[in-house]
Order: sequence, then C-alpha cells, then structure tokens
Amino acid sequence: AQSVTQLGSHVSVSEGALVLLRCNYSSSVPPYLFWYVQYPNQGLQLLLKYTSAATLVKGINGFEAEFKKSETSFHLTKPSAHMSDAAEYFCAVRGDSSYKLIFGSGTRLLVRP
Amino acid sequence: ETGVTQTPRHLVMGMTNKKSLKCEQHLGHNAMYWYKQSAKKPLELMFVYSLEERVENNSVPSRFSPECPNSSHLFLHLHTLQPEDSALYLCASSQGIEGIYGYTFGSGTRLTVV
Repeated sequence: AQSVTQLGSHVSVSEGALVLLRCNYSSSVPPYLFWYVQYPNQGLQLLLKYTSAATLVKGINGFEAEFKKSETSFHLTKPSAHMSDAAEYFCAVRGDSSYKLIFGSGTRLLVRP
Repeated sequence: ETGVTQTPRHLVMGMTNKKSLKCEQHLGHNAMYWYKQSAKKPLELMFVYSLEERVENNSVPSRFSPECPNSSHLFLHLHTLQPEDSALYLCASSQGIEGIYGYTFGSGTRLTVV
C-alpha cells in the first residue's frame, strides 16, 4: 500500500535561510509525487509534481524538489525563505493500483524575521 | 471564472438544519472529490466522482449526501450534523481519475456546527 510520511509537523527558519521540508513515500510502482501549499483559510495549491521525467523538479515561488528513488524521498527545498512562504505544505503520492492521491499530514513552515 | 469555485466560503448551521455546499469547476475535468480537513488531522477523502458516477464513499456517515449532476458541478448536502463535523470542506477536480496530473482544489467552505 502506498503511504506518505512528512517528518516534522512544524519547521521554523529565519528569513533568507534555506527551506527543507522532508517527504518519504512508499509505493510498489513508480510513483507520481506532488507538493501542495495551503495558506490560512485557503485550499491547497499545487507547487510542483514529479511524473517520471526529470528527477529535479522546479515549481512555483522558487521551490524545487528532488526525486530520489533509492531513498524513497521527495524533499522540498527553497534556497532563501521569504516571509510569504509561511504556510502549511503537503506532500502527496499516487502510486500502486489506487487512483487516489494519498496526502501526508502536512508540515507547517514558520518564517522568522 | 477559472479554476474550482466553492460556495459558501463560511457556513454556520445548527444541528437540525439542512444546508448544501456547492462546488463548480471550469477546467473541463471529469473527476471531482470532496475532502474534509479537521484541525490536527490528515486530509480525509470523503467522496470521489468520475464522469458523474460515484466511485468511492469512504465510510462517510449518511448525514453527508453528495450529488454530481454533471461533470462541472458537485454538491454536498448536509443534514442533522454533529459538532465534530465542523471542519474545512474542500472540493477538488482532476483530469482523469488516475490523478497523475494532480488535483486542483477550491478554497474550501469553513463549516461550523453549533
């Protein structure tokens, strides 16, 4: 069965620092992987997706993620955090025979001035 | 309008009321979803529709009743809800139920049951 684990329910960084949000997945078939961002009282917005093309995926707002099959990971990074990046981030996987996207529990990113 | 639109944005209802949540997508997608997002809980998939046919009902109580009259519209009819049903209800759509392109979400309806 497919699953997603996001390490750390809260991550705090200083403005201008590197952002690293961790996501590990399990899937018995090559997965499709996604990162979503949710601002307060909003829906989820797609940041980027991995669909078996390049392993380094670039998304919106300066975010990128690298698919590492050997580590079953799809960590999200941004070189320099901005105050507007404060939000909740969700990793999701679509794999196995299920058509469903399975979401992680989310990581809340706090950006300190 | 583009994207996925949900109305109302906020709803307060008593436990004996009947209300409906509406979702409309302008993306030409053929699959639609209802999710429940409660504080400190993972996203919960409630219902899945593909080509207007319900393909999944994740053990959701009967006080939640979905309706998909066409591929652009999705409703969630609510009656005799409980306080624990208070949550953000999110609608999403996708091109193909396989979801390989990801889902597009609406902004949600914040429901409070009093």
